[in-house]
Amino acid sequence: KQEVTQIPAALSVPEGENLVLNCSFTDSAIYNLQWFRQDPGKGLTSLLLIQSSQREQTSGRLNASLDKSSGRSTLYIAASQPGDSATYLCAVYFGNEKLTFGTGTRLTIIP
Amino acid sequence: SAVISQKPSRDICQRGTSLTIQCQVDSQVTMMFWYRQQPGQSLTLIATANQGSEATYESGFVIDKFPISRPNLTFSTLTVSNMSPEDSSIYLCSGTSGDWEQYFGPGTRLTVT
Repeated sequence: KQEVTQIPAALSVPEGENLVLNCSFTDSAIYNLQWFRQDPGKGLTSLLLIQSSQREQTSGRLNASLDKSSGRSTLYIAASQPGDSATYLCAVYFGNEKLTFGTGTRLTIIP
Repeated sequence: SAVISQKPSRDICQRGTSLTIQCQVDSQVTMMFWYRQQPGQSLTLIATANQGSEATYESGFVIDKFPISRPNLTFSTLTVSNMSPEDSSIYLCSGTSGDWEQYFGPGTRLTVT
């Protein structure tokens, strides 16, 4: 069964620190992996999309990496700010015409 | 990229009634989807909205409860029928581009009393 896991479920860090969010998936034959951000009661905002042929993608203070052989992706957030507080979701497209979502990591940045 | 809007943004409905949620995309997308997100949970796929034909439903979801239409490439509706308090959730519409990047609408927050 194709599954996506995110650990930890919740994370609190002081403002200004760099942090890493983790995503693991059970099948290395992926087409792409996408990181989203969700604020409470809101929709999902796409942060980064990594195609299967890529190793990483960067946008501003965010960097996402992909290691298909180990079934892992990380989202690195540099110099965290209170506005980064949200739930971060990882989603994998395994080629079966739908995304498989992880359960998310709820991030709190402490001012 | 695609920009997706949903109407209404939120609603409070009585048990036994139905609500239709509209989803509009600003450009053509290859596929459209409807998700449900119950409080504190991740997203659950309800169905794939197919243009001009019946939607493809995931296990546990049926057309009588969640009828879906997609008359063209940029518009879809989801109806939540005969609502109960267990249907209180955020309902999200999404669409995919050619390279399977997925975009989401802002969601519709439904409360059933």
